[in-house]
This record gives sequence, structure tokens and C-alpha cells, in this order.
Amino acid sequence: GDSVTQTEGLVTLTEGLPVMLNCTYQSTYSPFLFWYVQHLNEAPKLLLKSFTDNKRPEHQGFHATLHKSSSSFHLQKSSAQLSDSALYYCARNSGGSNAKLTFGKGTKLSVKS
Amino acid sequence: NAGVIQTPRHKVTGKGQEATLWCEPISGHSAVFWYRQTIVQGLEFLTYFRNQAPIDDSGMPKERFSAQMPNQSHSTLKIQSTQPQDSAVYLCASSPGQANTEVFFGKGTRLTVV
Repeated sequence: GDSVTQTEGLVTLTEGLPVMLNCTYQSTYSPFLFWYVQHLNEAPKLLLKSFTDNKRPEHQGFHATLHKSSSSFHLQKSSAQLSDSALYYCARNSGGSNAKLTFGKGTKLSVKS
Repeated sequence: NAGVIQTPRHKVTGKGQEATLWCEPISGHSAVFWYRQTIVQGLEFLTYFRNQAPIDDSGMPKERFSAQMPNQSHSTLKIQSTQPQDSAVYLCASSPGQANTEVFFGKGTRLTVV
């Protein structure tokens, strides 16, 4: 079925090191992919989303590349900051006019000094 | 714009009691969603309305959960005969309704069933 997989439940990094959070999806069509971020005691909010023209979305130093051949949309950042510590969710839409998003189980990123 | 508003922020119910959660979506948004958030399962889809009409309730436990949207400014999620496994954060969200647009979340209602 249509699903999203995030393989890491917890990623712990030292400040300044690169970040990569994995996201793969199953789909019978080409969906839109999203990354949402949730800081402690806050609502999840959009970090970035895929484009129809395959441009690479970027926001706050994060970027993600949609690879249709491997059904992946991994989130990357060259240098982690303490303020990046949060819960990150990968999501996909459901196709057609359906606005529903299906989320992965989330990856908690913990950045330490 | 106050964003998506959810009340109450915290609710404690006894096992077997009923819980009603409230959501006020962003004005002008045609799509309203309910999700359940737990550490183990992450963000689980429950149900979705468009222009107040139920579109997809595939994530709703059928027997005790129900959701309604009586008007464009609020939606409710009702859980009857609450059980400890219903303890979670329930998130409401809204969007303009297109498939590739941002979904805006409220801060959620933390439900604890004791």
C-alpha cells in the first residue's frame, strides 16, 4: 500500500556534523513528499516539500532530493546546530485531489555540543 | 491569524468515560484533518473533512471514535468509553485543500485515560 518509512527512531549527533535522516515511500504513482519538524511542546510545521519540476527544496539549511528510482526523499543538512534538535516526520500525499498526508513514524534528532 | 486552535490542551478521563475534543481550523481552509500522535506509532491519520463533508475516515477505530464538522469553524472528535490505549496527543490540522499544499497543525490535546 501507500506508506512512508523512516528507519531511524533516534539520531544523535555532535554539533557541526552533517545530518541525514532517511525517508522512503511506497506508491503506485508519483506523490508529493514533505518533511515536517516538531520542536518540544510545539505543533508540527512544514520544513520543506518536493517540487513537481524536480528542483531541490531548501529551508533553514536543510534540503532533500526526491529520487523516484529509489523512492526516497532523505533530509540533509551540512552542519547540525543545537537548535535542530526536534522530531522530524516525512510525509506523502495520497494522490489526486485528496489532501490527506500519510506520515512516517518520525525520527528524533538530538544534537549535542 | 491565530492558527489552528484546539481545546482543551490537556484532558484526563477515567476509563469508560467519554471525551470530546474541539478544533477550530484556520479561517478559509477547506480541509480539516484529525491525527493521533504517540511515541510508538508517530502521526496516525484518523479522519478528514473537505468543506465540512467527511471524505476519508479510514484511520478511525470504528466502534468508539466519531468526528463531526457541523460548521466551517469547528470540528469535534468524540471518543466513547475511553480506554487506556486511547491515551495520546490528538492533533487537528487544516489546509487550503490542494494535494500539495501545506497542512497547518494545532498544538494538540493530550488525552490521558486513567
